[in-house]
Amino acid sequence: GQQLNQSPQSMFIQEGEDVSMNCTSSSIFNTWLWYKQDPGEGPVLLIALYKAGELTSNGRLTAQFGITRKDSFLNISASIPSDVGIYFCAGHPLGGGSQGNLIFGKGTKLSVKP
Amino acid sequence: NAGVTQTPKFRILKIGQSMTLQCAQDMNHNYMYWYRQDPGMGLKLIYYSVGAGITDKGEVPNGYNVSRSTTEDFPLRLELAAPSQTSVYFCASSYQVGRYNQPQHFGDGTRLSIL
Repeated sequence: GQQLNQSPQSMFIQEGEDVSMNCTSSSIFNTWLWYKQDPGEGPVLLIALYKAGELTSNGRLTAQFGITRKDSFLNISASIPSDVGIYFCAGHPLGGGSQGNLIFGKGTKLSVKP
Repeated sequence: NAGVTQTPKFRILKIGQSMTLQCAQDMNHNYMYWYRQDPGMGLKLIYYSVGAGITDKGEVPNGYNVSRSTTEDFPLRLELAAPSQTSVYFCASSYQVGRYNQPQHFGDGTRLSIL
């Protein structure tokens, strides 16, 4: 089946640092979504991207829909402690049909540097 | 706004028992989904529904059943619980119009352990 390769798997941050993560696929996606999941909760939508090349911001978060439609990145600027959690990329594959099926990456776990 | 509500939040089952995970949404979304999330993994689609009375299999449907008698509710049933079904289950909903895929909104999950 279709897969999304999300990297890095995990990373440690210090407050104030910028963070970057990305997601790639071997096939074309027509929507890219970025979710954040806190412990014990469901994923919460951060940013949705609908067009190739689209660059969208949500506060300190910025995400882009790659020109090839096979990748996306998420940047977090000036990280704060509440940014810790697991970030998932997800996408609707081209030709995925009318079911709105989402394919998920395995997540990037953001933790605070000890 | 309640959004997507899942019950129960936690449950422990014995092998072979059955149970129903409840999901309700109050956003008048036509599409609803059930996912499972295993440790260190993303979410995998179990079943989905494009409207009341219509359901279809996702990537990992074996061992589960669903029904969609109303727009609001989408219960997931485990008939014969097996240890491999220990997981966190998430229900989601979205509003789909034609070919435009809208983001899915998730509940807080049901943590299920089969012992």
